[in-house]
Amino acid sequence: GIQVEQSPPDLILQEGANSTLRCNFSDSVNNLQWFHQNPWGQLINLFYIPSGTKQNGRLSATTVATERYSLLYISSSQTTDSGVYFCAGDRGSTLGRLYFGRGTQLTVWP
Amino acid sequence: ETGVTQTPRHLVMGMTNKKSLKCEQHLGHNAMYWYKQSAKKPLELMFVYSLEERVENNSVPSRFSPECPNSSHLFLHLHTLQPEDSALYLCASSQGLALEQYFGPGTRLTVT
Repeated sequence: GIQVEQSPPDLILQEGANSTLRCNFSDSVNNLQWFHQNPWGQLINLFYIPSGTKQNGRLSATTVATERYSLLYISSSQTTDSGVYFCAGDRGSTLGRLYFGRGTQLTVWP
Repeated sequence: ETGVTQTPRHLVMGMTNKKSLKCEQHLGHNAMYWYKQSAKKPLELMFVYSLEERVENNSVPSRFSPECPNSSHLFLHLHTLQPEDSALYLCASSQGLALEQYFGPGTRLTVT
């Protein structure tokens, strides 16, 4: 399978700070996604970003497919941003099988 | 609010019980998935259905039995589970296997 490494594993911020989360893949992936898991376990779709850059409000993401990594930027953090952030991707030979990283646990303090 | 719903949200069962988890998607998708999230481990794919046909069975023990009667519904039948099967079980759907997956809220299962 594909190994997915996320960094940092834990991140503690003060409200208003900016942060960058990284995701490295051991092999080329398709259909790269970023999720936010809330305290109740729900995975919220943040970005579907096989390549390029996308922005949605205070969040943006960049995927460099040729170098097998993706970055998630969070600006002006809010307490509601707390939770676990996951990246995941699949590969062409096993479509639909998302490989997940272990996540980044983000805690934002007021 | 989510286009993928799961019931029950919490389930406690003994090792000799039989229970079923239900997933329903309201997004018009044609692929559905079961994932398992255990403490301290990455999410693991269990089963994939495309157009109601199983296309992936990720070496899951036979005590887990999936069923996909139509493109909107997915079940996971459970019997004689072990305590190590306690986990969050997540359902997802997508429009085609190669596209963005959307997840339900999960069923938190405890096996006693």
